[in-house]
This record gives sequence, C-alpha cells and structure tokens, in this order.
Amino acid sequence: GAVVSQHPSWVICKSGTSVKIECRSLDFQATTMFWYRQFPKQSLMLMATSNEGSKATYEQGVEKDKFLINHASLTLSTLTVTSAHPEDSSFYICSARGLARGNEQFFGPGTRLTVL
Amino acid sequence: KQEVTQIPAALSVPEGENLVLNCSFTDSAIYNLQWFRQDPGKGLTSLLLIQSSQREQTSGRLNASLDKSSGRSTLYIAASQPGDSATYLCAVALNQAGTALIFGKGTTLSVSS
Repeated sequence: GAVVSQHPSWVICKSGTSVKIECRSLDFQATTMFWYRQFPKQSLMLMATSNEGSKATYEQGVEKDKFLINHASLTLSTLTVTSAHPEDSSFYICSARGLARGNEQFFGPGTRLTVL
Repeated sequence: KQEVTQIPAALSVPEGENLVLNCSFTDSAIYNLQWFRQDPGKGLTSLLLIQSSQREQTSGRLNASLDKSSGRSTLYIAASQPGDSATYLCAVALNQAGTALIFGKGTTLSVSS
C-alpha cells in the first residue's frame, strides 16, 4: 500500500500555544487529504477535507479559525491547532487519496497532542 | 445522515476460536466499506476493502462480507491468536469517489492464550 507519514508523532505543549502537524504522502500525489480526530475510546471523526490548491472544507462544529489547514502541494498538508487548550488534546490522524491510487484512502500513523 | 454501528463493543475469546465482528450502516448507498485494525495509541492498518459491487474479500485468516441492501458487513477471523488483540474499525465511503470515511466506534478484541 501507499505510505503516508505524519510529523510529529506526539507533541506536548502549553495552553495558548500553536502546534503544527504535517501529513505527507511519500510515494504518490495526494489530490485530497482528510483530517480526523479521535478522542479516547471514541471513533475517528472527520474534521475537514482539503483538496490541493483550494480551501479546506470543515465539518459542522469544527472551527476553521482554530484548526488551520493548508494543502499547498500534492504531497503535503498541514494542520495547525491555534491557541491550543486542554480540550484539544486528542489523537489527530490524516489520510490521503490520489487519483493514481484509485479511491482508497491511506492513513498516517497519527499524532498524539497533549495540551497542558 | 450515514451512521455506522459496530457490535459488540468489546469481545474476549480464548486463542483458537473463530469469531465474527458485526458492522451495520444506515444508508445503503455506499461506495465501499473498509475494515481497519488499530492497536492502542497507534494509527490504522487497513485489513480489507470491499467495493460496493463485491460481496466479500479474503486475506489470510480474515474474511469480510458485505450485504449492501441490508446495510451489513461482517469480519470473520479464523483461529484467533493473541496477536489479533486490537480494536477493529469498520468504515464506509459514501457514494462519491473521494469522500471521507465514516467510522464506527469499533470492537475491541482480546484474545487470551
């Protein structure tokens, strides 16, 4: 299968700071990337969909000014959690889809964010 | 709105047992259905993907079936092993290429030796 990486794999930050998470498709061009969030013992919930070169589409209840998504190239999307608070602590997972890979989504290993 | 439900939420079995995990979805107009494995604190490992036109997929000891009309899928694990212990997630893609996946809450499986 295709390879998707995330960096960092875990991060601890103080309340009020901003954190950037990167999602990269290593061996294919990702026309679409998705960002999910998973709270403990819960399932993955879609936060936003980003298509290369255009603005992200956010799910209802997800603040676009708090969770900034940039998909500037076909291999990189970034999620920036601005002014993070403890309630933002979660497991953030990205997935990527590319035309050359059919309609299958390939998932990154996730980023554990802990806000103190 | 599409909803995905997985039953049971947790399952404990002794090593060697065959077992079935269930997944149901409310809207039968899906593009495909995928089963994932997630180990604690880790990302997702794709196990099987079934296109909407298919009835089942097999990989090793795993067999997944899909009955789109009734909104159900099952994941059959043969001869379970302690290494199979993990959370198994079912997810559906809506009837459009490139849409995000909608996940169930998962079944946490524990296989004892």
